[in-house]
Amino acid sequence: GQQVMQIPQYQHVQEGEDFTTYCNSSTTLSNIQWYKQRPGGHPVFLIQLVKSGEVKKQKRLTFQFGEAKKNSSLHITATQTTDVGTYFCAEDNDYKLSFGAGTTVTVRA
Amino acid sequence: DAGITQSPRHKVTETGTPVTLRCHQTENHRYMYWYRQDPGHGLRLIHYSYGVKDTDKGEVSDGYSVSRSKTEDFLLTLESATSSQTSVYFCAIRQGGGQPQHFGDGTRLSIL
Repeated sequence: GQQVMQIPQYQHVQEGEDFTTYCNSSTTLSNIQWYKQRPGGHPVFLIQLVKSGEVKKQKRLTFQFGEAKKNSSLHITATQTTDVGTYFCAEDNDYKLSFGAGTTVTVRA
Repeated sequence: DAGITQSPRHKVTETGTPVTLRCHQTENHRYMYWYRQDPGHGLRLIHYSYGVKDTDKGEVSDGYSVSRSKTEDFLLTLESATSSQTSVYFCAIRQGGGQPQHFGDGTRLSIL
């Protein structure tokens, strides 16, 4: 089954606001990847985190890997309508990815 | 986007019939994967391949078989489709461990 748990399952955000989605594991992760899937589309790779405490930014998106490598977060600032979609984290395990159930984001204009 | 083509893109069939989905890549990547996506479950791995004729089961492999006779093609077969296999199926490819996965556009399969 899924090794990583994502919360919340749904996130309804007012345009311009910030939000954070979380990815948690009971075991230490070797690395974690994040993907975004637009409605009707396929998952697209966003980023990979490898090191303990790592922080990476992509414009308005900030990705963090926990110090214990058991959790990760994605923070989006000043949400735009283009941020709509489902965000998945995935544990990289022996050439396979185990995906979380995702956080589905909707944006109110 | 990576060169991945899934066919067919949509299919409607009846319970008990065999179904084969095809994934074709032009990237020469070693690893290929089949996932199913259902509401509330994210992406669940069905089978994967780590080379020609080398395949292994994922977390939801019951009722599915796969074959990979060439690097570029990975086939997923439902020998006798059931309504519980109605889903969206994604193929993905990967160059190696620690690399991103690239997904095809998906196949929407409905079994009545």
